[in-house]
Amino acid sequence: SQQGEEDPQALSIQEGENATMNCSYKTSINNLQWYRQNSGRGLVHLILIRSNEREKHSGRLRVTLDTSKKSSSLLITASRAADTASYFCATPRGGSYIPTFGRGTSLIVHP
Amino acid sequence: EAGVAQSPRYKIIEKRQSVAFWCNPISGHATLYWYQQILGQGPKLLIQFQNNGVVDDSQLPKDRFSAERLKGVDSTLKIQPAKLEDSAVYLCASSLGSDQPQHFGDGTRLSIL
Repeated sequence: SQQGEEDPQALSIQEGENATMNCSYKTSINNLQWYRQNSGRGLVHLILIRSNEREKHSGRLRVTLDTSKKSSSLLITASRAADTASYFCATPRGGSYIPTFGRGTSLIVHP
Repeated sequence: EAGVAQSPRYKIIEKRQSVAFWCNPISGHATLYWYQQILGQGPKLLIQFQNNGVVDDSQLPKDRFSAERLKGVDSTLKIQPAKLEDSAVYLCASSLGSDQPQHFGDGTRLSIL
């Protein structure tokens, strides 16, 4: 069963703009991960944030986690055409380390 | 370091035939995952191994799917017999541990005619 769900399903922006996508989940987690998938390729790990962390940065990526609201957000600043991809959050199935993925956010960045 | 290797890259078979996929994880990674990804959806975990033991296979259709990880390294996933609804990309991933980032192969795209 799905644990995490991304929102919006699709996002279209211009190069240079910021992109924000959200992930909501249902049960308590020990960590949450964000992945990127380019068309026809496997997923690439972006950031892992643990339940005792509120914010994490990696280059142009910023991830926040609000355990009280059971939600996380991924912000991509100053987007580039190369950021065009699907973005997924992965959360452990309730009380376990077994990962579940949402349906993803499809991001298109227009040059 | 070398990434996760999967083969074949593409496979086309007729329904009721059998097919096998192979995965070579990153050296030293104890945890290995097989996922099914249907077009437009996120990956769905089929089976998770820790070394050569099964951690979870609750979403594996065991009447037709089987997987093994001999010697805790390479793994194969088999479908026998295939159904039309098995058309998907089959992704293999590995990680140092079950709460660590996963590294994915590029998958096998399976088409059932």
